[in-house]
Amino acid sequence: GAGVSQSPRYKVAKRGQDVALRCDPISGHVSLFWYQQALGQGPEFLTYFQNEAQLDKSGLPSDRFFAERPEGSVSTLKIQRTQQEDSAVYLCASSLLGGLEEKLFFGSGTQLSVL
Amino acid sequence: KNEVEQSPQNLTAQEGEFITINCSYSVGISALHWLQQHPGGGIVSLFMLSSGKKKHGRLIATINIQEKHSSLHITASHPRDSAVYICALGEYGNKLVFGAGTILRVKS
Repeated sequence: GAGVSQSPRYKVAKRGQDVALRCDPISGHVSLFWYQQALGQGPEFLTYFQNEAQLDKSGLPSDRFFAERPEGSVSTLKIQRTQQEDSAVYLCASSLLGGLEEKLFFGSGTQLSVL
Repeated sequence: KNEVEQSPQNLTAQEGEFITINCSYSVGISALHWLQQHPGGGIVSLFMLSSGKKKHGRLIATINIQEKHSSLHITASHPRDSAVYICALGEYGNKLVFGAGTILRVKS
């Protein structure tokens, strides 16, 4: 696609509900990242994929968070039993190869509100 | 946890002013990124630096690896430059550690 696409753009969930957030990276991009951005703060790293392999999931805040990229393209971030502290913007980014000086392309994010 | 510090946190400027946003960091890095985020919008990559200086239009970014410091300059600022500017440290595989951002408002 033309850019990184995320859906839904907005999601309101009741506490305890499971949610799934989707990221469609730029076609052919090997590396994919998920970040969490709380209101008024900078994004924080959640997890990183190279193709279908999840190479780093050190930023996932709890075992309620799970990410997958089964075919090395579209990725889904799943949050089980959502809590109010999960409310944030979830950003997805991709890059062609994941090199240290490669440009990153970001999606517009999914704003999650847990009531 | 404050590997990267940005200053100022908030900046208001008059149209046409020269603007400088600073970023200091405490760890060794392979690259430093400057990013722009508009309210409600996604993040756009402005620069990646590992040394020296880069220029794109009215934007200039510099980095001093020895001093662990980078600056983003905007010349002849314009209201459309109003956004959050974020400094981010590039680690392996392009994993980024973000600063808290500088909120810039340029008044006409």
